[in-house]
Amino acid sequence: AAGVIQSPRHLIKEKRETATLKCYPIPRHDTVYWYQQGPGQDPQFLISFYEKMQSDKGSIPDRFSAQQFSDYHSELNMSSLELGDSALYFCASSNKRAYEQYFGPGTRLTVT
Amino acid sequence: AQSVTQLGSHVSVSEGALVLLRCNYSSSVPPYLFWYVQYPNQGLQLLLKYTTGATLVKGINGFEAEFKKSETSFHLTKPSAHMSDAAEYFCAVSEGGYQKVTFGTGTKLQVIP
Repeated sequence: AAGVIQSPRHLIKEKRETATLKCYPIPRHDTVYWYQQGPGQDPQFLISFYEKMQSDKGSIPDRFSAQQFSDYHSELNMSSLELGDSALYFCASSNKRAYEQYFGPGTRLTVT
Repeated sequence: AQSVTQLGSHVSVSEGALVLLRCNYSSSVPPYLFWYVQYPNQGLQLLLKYTTGATLVKGINGFEAEFKKSETSFHLTKPSAHMSDAAEYFCAVSEGGYQKVTFGTGTKLQVIP
């Protein structure tokens, strides 16, 4: 079965640079969620989109923005990167018939 | 608001012994509850979920969990630990479809040969 696809899987950036993470949800899933998992920490909710509109917002820094496109894929844009942004970023998707969110493999961002 | 508390950041069991990972939740509405497993440097895999109905839910790899509303608990168990069960386990809660998932701080399970 198709799963959530995230790209790139690994990304290395320097401080103050920008990064764009992409998420392709499972086909026919209309909701996308972004989570950030710092080293040794639990995943923290950043933001979600339903039918291309922002549906909920968590602890997402102002330096980050995200959107969901007409084909339901989503992008997380991160600017002025800081060392503390180094983390594993998960995307998850769901639809009305699914009670759970299906997680992608994550993008590991390293800021040097 | 919703939250999850996992008792014990590290749990060690012998191979073949019972696995018990504890989870208590807080939710203002009837919760959806989940257990996820994460192997090193990998993503989150859903073990099992509780939404409504039967309070004892069975998941993959022989794991099961019981929803106890009176105790606000959702403990994860497996009768006999296997070496391949060594991983980090996250309990999580959601307040319904399309809602964000709030994770506990995780429990690292070590299986001793």
